[in-house]
Amino acid sequence: KAGVTQTPRYLIKTRGQQVTLSCSPISGHRSVSWYQQTPGQGLQFLFEYFSETQRNKGNFPGRFSGRQFSNSRSEMNVSTLELGDSALYLCASSSGQPPSSGANVLTFGAGSRLTVL
Amino acid sequence: SQKIEQNSEALNIQEGKTATLTCNYTNYSPAYLQWYRQDPGRGPVFLLLIRENEKEKRKERLKVTFDTTLKQSLFHITASQPADSATYLCALDSSGGSYIPTFGRGTSLIVHP
Repeated sequence: KAGVTQTPRYLIKTRGQQVTLSCSPISGHRSVSWYQQTPGQGLQFLFEYFSETQRNKGNFPGRFSGRQFSNSRSEMNVSTLELGDSALYLCASSSGQPPSSGANVLTFGAGSRLTVL
Repeated sequence: SQKIEQNSEALNIQEGKTATLTCNYTNYSPAYLQWYRQDPGRGPVFLLLIRENEKEKRKERLKVTFDTTLKQSLFHITASQPADSATYLCALDSSGGSYIPTFGRGTSLIVHP
């Protein structure tokens, strides 16, 4: 089956602009999580969506937002870009079942590499 | 505060040797620990999962141990190959039942032919 697809793969923006990244999960997966990866901080959790609802949220400012559509596809948006937002943004999908059903094993996309100038 | 620590220095080994990577954690009581592999410019790929009540898990040339007393997991690759060169990340399910994996920063493994 097809993997997790992220678009665009690369983009360059300037400070103050906004950006929207897209993620198509594996068919049948209802949970989509977003992570930011930088050399200094590693993988940092942004938020998770399940059935169009934000279910978990990391410790990022309100400039970072997301949404999930009825077909489980997800978008994340970053407004008023700062230089420090330059990173690899990773989307991961999973079945999203409750903890009692087992561990949350993630399937990641290839990421969207954002450079802010 | 909660911490997941992986050796930030790259591990260099010769082809055919066993690579051992370490993941230490503090202030966690994880139910699961996962290991992922990440190649440059790509997303992490799931390798192995071990539960808190399991001491060891194997998959082909991979072996993971989990010591909840020491708060440590070891990840072994036997008969390593240059193709095993990558960054390896450990991830713990978060405390409080949110089951969102929290990742270590990863250790780079370089296998020399």
